[in-house]
This record gives sequence, structure tokens and C-alpha cells, in this order.
Amino acid sequence: EIALTQSPATLSLSPGERATLSCRASQSFTSTYFAWYQQKPGQTPRVLIYGSSTRAPGIPDRFSGSGSGTDFTLTISRLQPEDSAVYYCHRYDSAPQTFGQGTTVEIK
Amino acid sequence: QLQLQASGPGLVKPSETLSLTCTVTGDSITSTSYYWGWIRQPPGKGLEWIASIHYSEGTFYNPSLKSRVTISVDTSKNQFSLRLTSVTAADTAVYYCATPGGVLVPFWGPGTLVTVSS
Repeated sequence: EIALTQSPATLSLSPGERATLSCRASQSFTSTYFAWYQQKPGQTPRVLIYGSSTRAPGIPDRFSGSGSGTDFTLTISRLQPEDSAVYYCHRYDSAPQTFGQGTTVEIK
Repeated sequence: QLQLQASGPGLVKPSETLSLTCTVTGDSITSTSYYWGWIRQPPGKGLEWIASIHYSEGTFYNPSLKSRVTISVDTSKNQFSLRLTSVTAADTAVYYCATPGGVLVPFWGPGTLVTVSS
């Protein structure tokens, strides 16, 4: 099983700042099958990025994804108050699919 | 526009079987563009993939649950289903049906809370 480890666990930043979230895999896999999600309390996870770098429909361009192999990054270029949420990474290249444990982004 | 809607009992007794159905609208369950799947989230915790099914490639299971899980498709109703046997309190979670796989953007339906309690 390929494990995903996200860092940091919590990120506390001010509006307008840049957030960089990391997701590291225990072994390399095909980046075509990698996504980032945003989840707010009581809501369904919302896909932000899939294929490691393609923004999902309707996602603002301040969200961007990059990476390949074992290291992936989600960048939020200019934080907005509504970006406060938990962010998960997910690999779905093969079974068992796995998720990272989540990074909580707090807006000061 | 693809839409997924999970349905099933919100309360299941310990040792019994949890059964959920996901109704698909906007595309055919027989489409080979999608992997249909189930993902769950215990209260206050992270996400766990349970199983997926592809119309031509077959079924895929999380090894940690494989002995208790069955995923299947009903083409006549355009639905796919999850059965989880011998449930315990640890199976209490929000269950999501989704399309976790392939090259298309993953799509998730709203979750349904299942509580295991006597």
C-alpha cells in the first residue's frame, strides 16, 4: 500500500498570504491519478485539483497543483477567508487507494 | 451533469449488514469512463477508500475491509451498491459514493451518515 503523508498538519496564515501544502508518497506512482480536495465542516469534499495539476471546473485560479513521483504540492496563491478548511490529497492509480491525513488551513 | 445520490438506513445494529445504494443520473452505469466507488469518513476523522467497481475491469477492494465488503452494479436501475457485513461501532461514518478513478475529474455525491448502534 502506498501511504500519503501530508504536511504541515496545520497552517495558520493571514488573508492574501501564500499557502503551500505538501503531500508525500511512500513510493512513486503515476501522477495522472492524484487529486486534492477541500472539505469544510459538514460538507462533502470538493475536488480542487485532479491529474496532479488540472483545476476542476469552477475552481479559482489561485489554487494550483504540482508534483510527480512521490512529492506533490497544493498552492493557494492569495488566501481568502473562505479558504479555511481541511485539505486532503488522494491517489487513485491502483488499489488500495489512499488519502493523506489532511492539512487544516486556518485564516488569522 | 453527473449526479450521485447515496441512500440506505441511517442506523444499523452491531453484527448486522450495512447496505447502501448509489443512484447515478446524468450518465450510464455501464459507461467505461468511470470507476464507481465508496469512500467513508468516521466522525471527526479522515477519509478511507472502501471499494470501487468498473464495468469492464471489475471490482477493487480495500484489503482492510475486503473480507466484509461487496460492491456491485444494477444496470436496470443505474445504481451501484455497497454491502458491509458484521458491522461494529468502528463502521460508524459518513459514506460517500463517488467516481474515484480514471482520467476524468473525480465526482462525489453528498454523504449519508450511518450509525452502528443497538
